[in-house]
Amino acid sequence: EPEVTQTPSHQVTQMGQEVILRCVPISNHLYFYWYRQILGQKVEFLVSFYNNEISEKSEIFDDQFSVERPDGSNFTLKIRSTKLEDSAMYFCASRDKVSRSSYEQYFGPGTRLTVT
Amino acid sequence: SQQGEEDPQALSIQEGENATMNCSYKTSINNLQWYRQNSGRGLVHLILIRSNEREKHSGRLRVTLDTSKKSSSLLITASRAADTASYFCATAFSGTYKYIFGTGTRLKVLA
Repeated sequence: EPEVTQTPSHQVTQMGQEVILRCVPISNHLYFYWYRQILGQKVEFLVSFYNNEISEKSEIFDDQFSVERPDGSNFTLKIRSTKLEDSAMYFCASRDKVSRSSYEQYFGPGTRLTVT
Repeated sequence: SQQGEEDPQALSIQEGENATMNCSYKTSINNLQWYRQNSGRGLVHLILIRSNEREKHSGRLRVTLDTSKKSSSLLITASRAADTASYFCATAFSGTYKYIFGTGTRLKVLA
């Protein structure tokens, strides 16, 4: 069964450094998402991406964040200058466009980002 | 707020008992999903129920949806210690493609 994959599973970085989290969505999917979950808190929507542009973003997704689909398979989240409060689990998700009424999103296993 | 809210926040039961978790939301939805998350791990999809469905089953899981009350419930029958995890509902609202997650129910099944 096709699945969303994410790398790395755990990333440790120093405050102020740039990080890139990588996701490989399911191959025929066209909508892509990033969510994050700070330890002990709920999963929060960050951004959705379709047709090579951001379609929706939350207030969390400020200028320090960017997303990109650099090729036909990867979807990346970049944090330019990490802060301690960026430490969280980051989840990628994807959705197809088979049905306009289908909102089913498939989540990857997550990348745990630790900012020290 | 459009957030899904689960209750109870925490639930502790004995192995073999049934566990029921509830989720409430505030605006019209397209569908609702339930996820499980073991401590510090990823999200495992359990069941998706669409707004025109009232009940779905998957193995020991039963999900109901009452759109008039804007609520859903997840029932785990004959619980096992391995069911110990946090359970989240996530709602997809009409007019948006994102999911809003609830705060979760922490289920502990005692052997």
